Amino acid sequence: DSGVTQTPKHLITATGQRVTLRCSPRSGDLSVYWYQQSLDQGLQFLIQYYNGEERAKGNILERFSAQQFPDLHSELNLSSLELGDSALYFCASSRWTGGVLLNYGYTFGSGTRLTVV
Amino acid sequence: SQKIEQNSEALNIQEGKTATLTCNYTNYSPAYLQWYRQDPGRGPVFLLLIRENEKEKRKERLKVTFDTTLKQSLFHITASQPADSATYLCALEGGGFKTIFGAGTRLFVKA
Repeated sequence: DSGVTQTPKHLITATGQRVTLRCSPRSGDLSVYWYQQSLDQGLQFLIQYYNGEERAKGNILERFSAQQFPDLHSELNLSSLELGDSALYFCASSRWTGGVLLNYGYTFGSGTRLTVV
Repeated sequence: SQKIEQNSEALNIQEGKTATLTCNYTNYSPAYLQWYRQDPGRGPVFLLLIRENEKEKRKERLKVTFDTTLKQSLFHITASQPADSATYLCALEGGGFKTIFGAGTRLFVKA
């Protein structure tokens, strides 16, 4: 157990629907990052929050949005789902805005596997 | 444009040998570089971080080098074991607090 909790583990939904993915960061970590990993693709950075504020944005679609709540958990909302949105969605956390402290990297959750049918 | 390149072809080696994986980047000036291990269907696991002013970092059987002139990092696993079989990802701070990951190199260690 990495300490980063993602729910649900699996999600199957139809095109056009909306889903919410949830992430609880490791205790003490203020930064949360969302990544998308499609089949045989690398990790694509979506968005980062630090202590409730958006800090960095990647190639996140307008149909996707996220937020980080006062208790530091984060939600990624995906709407108007398309077949191509099927992927593993990972959340990671770290203690600092820059993502590193000494030799400390990111801690990833086990991911949510989204299947759009 | 900014690019991170890792060997897309899988690396097959015999148990006990040293595996060497390469990460090249262009149009980045990262302050640090990270290496992660990812098993199928699992989240990446942090292995090592090396800063721009460090030439080499070691942890047990792992060694990472970082050449900012060549814009390259090498990741070595000595005395490799079948349990080391996985995909290895390098990651750079891409500016603006974004950490960008390479596509990864699959390593297969045969007994």
